[in-house]
Amino acid sequence: NAGVTQTPKFRVLKTGQSMTLLCAQDMNHEYMYWYRQDPGMGLRLIHYSVGEGTTAKGEVPDGYNVSRLKKQNFLLGLESAAPSQTSVYFCASRTDFGQDEFYEQYFGPGTRLTVT
Amino acid sequence: GQQLNQSPQSMFIQEGEDVSMNCTSSSIFNTWLWYKQDPGEGPVLLIALYKAGELTSNGRLTAQFGITRKDSFLNISASIPSDVGIYFCAGQSPPTGTYKYIFGTGTRLKVLA
Repeated sequence: NAGVTQTPKFRVLKTGQSMTLLCAQDMNHEYMYWYRQDPGMGLRLIHYSVGEGTTAKGEVPDGYNVSRLKKQNFLLGLESAAPSQTSVYFCASRTDFGQDEFYEQYFGPGTRLTVT
Repeated sequence: GQQLNQSPQSMFIQEGEDVSMNCTSSSIFNTWLWYKQDPGEGPVLLIALYKAGELTSNGRLTAQFGITRKDSFLNISASIPSDVGIYFCAGQSPPTGTYKYIFGTGTRLKVLA
């Protein structure tokens, strides 16, 4: 049981380049999230999805797009990378069942992105 | 965006000592989560709290959901070197079932052997 996995683990981009980050979960979770983590800022929500085919904006969505074509995958895209997008990106997921575990969110190992 | 106030920001302790940290918010929460993050890794869920006043343990870790629903506390007893890392709190506001988690900025723990 792999939980939440992310690819790639590291990436260096030049300003203006594009890339896609992949998140996959094998827990049959409905909800998936993308966060970025910057020093001293905690985790900030970029986009999230409440189910296959749905996406919504979080608190810092500008410069990013997402897609949830399959329940187990959540993709984060950067169309034209900027140095301000240098960060560590985390994917997370949670179930939607009506139990206490409903609120438990599980994270992937992260993708470290540098934009030069 | 809104963030939780988490304190202390960092702490050095001797191996074997007990550790306490807390999170406070200006708004009430219906869930508190505590995570630990090791260098180069993602946050790992330690404890989840669902009711005001609830006290939950996970090994040497004990967390409490504050009565006012605006704060939570995490205690680590008899610390060991592998407790080193960053501890984050996260809260979820009513109404039930909303997607949004608010994260603290973390407490960086360093344990001196």
